Amino acid sequence: AQSVTQPDIHITVSEGASLELRCNYSYGATPYLFWYVQSPGQGLQLLLKYFSGDTLVQGIKGFEAEFKRSQSSFNLRKPSVHWSDAAEYFCAVGLMNYGGSQGNLIFGKGTKLSVKP
Amino acid sequence: DTGVSQDPRHKITKRGQNVTFRCDPISEHNRLYWYRQTLGQGPEFLTYFQNEAQLEKSRLLSDRFSAERPKGSFSTLEIQRTEQGDSAMYLCASSPRTSAGTDTQYFGPGTRLTVL
Repeated sequence: AQSVTQPDIHITVSEGASLELRCNYSYGATPYLFWYVQSPGQGLQLLLKYFSGDTLVQGIKGFEAEFKRSQSSFNLRKPSVHWSDAAEYFCAVGLMNYGGSQGNLIFGKGTKLSVKP
Repeated sequence: DTGVSQDPRHKITKRGQNVTFRCDPISEHNRLYWYRQTLGQGPEFLTYFQNEAQLEKSRLLSDRFSAERPKGSFSTLEIQRTEQGDSAMYLCASSPRTSAGTDTQYFGPGTRLTVL
């Protein structure tokens, strides 16, 4: 069955330090991959997405992610974290429906990021 | 365009009551999705529509749940005879259907349901 694993429930980094959030997926076909961010009590904001092509994708707010098919991973990175990046981050895989187009998303359980001053 | 909107943002109800939530997608997005998110979990898919047709329903969507999108624009999600286990954030998302199937879903702010 399709699944997404985010191994780290909670990560704390110092402001200005680099960040890497891990995401592993299990999916038989070519995956469509997404990272979303959620602030407390809010909906999800799309950070970046991977459909095909260049395996290093750039997103908003200085985030990037790299798709590694051999490792079934799509890790999110940022070179220098800002206090405003404190939030919860969700990795998701988009499923293909019977019509061959994308249906719903399968989400990981999320990684909560705290930023120390 | 102001994005996906949901109403109400918060709902407190007593067990056994019926509740209805509304979602207005981004205009011209023909796909609309409902998800449920409980504390400490990622969103879980409930159902989705393409225009007015409900194309897929999760097994999470029990008989007490019903969703409609009557004119292919806004959608409603109704929960009948609410239970405490229904307490969650209900998220709506919309996407434009692309010919390549590379849909990107944009989420609303959610409706937080508390069942007492």
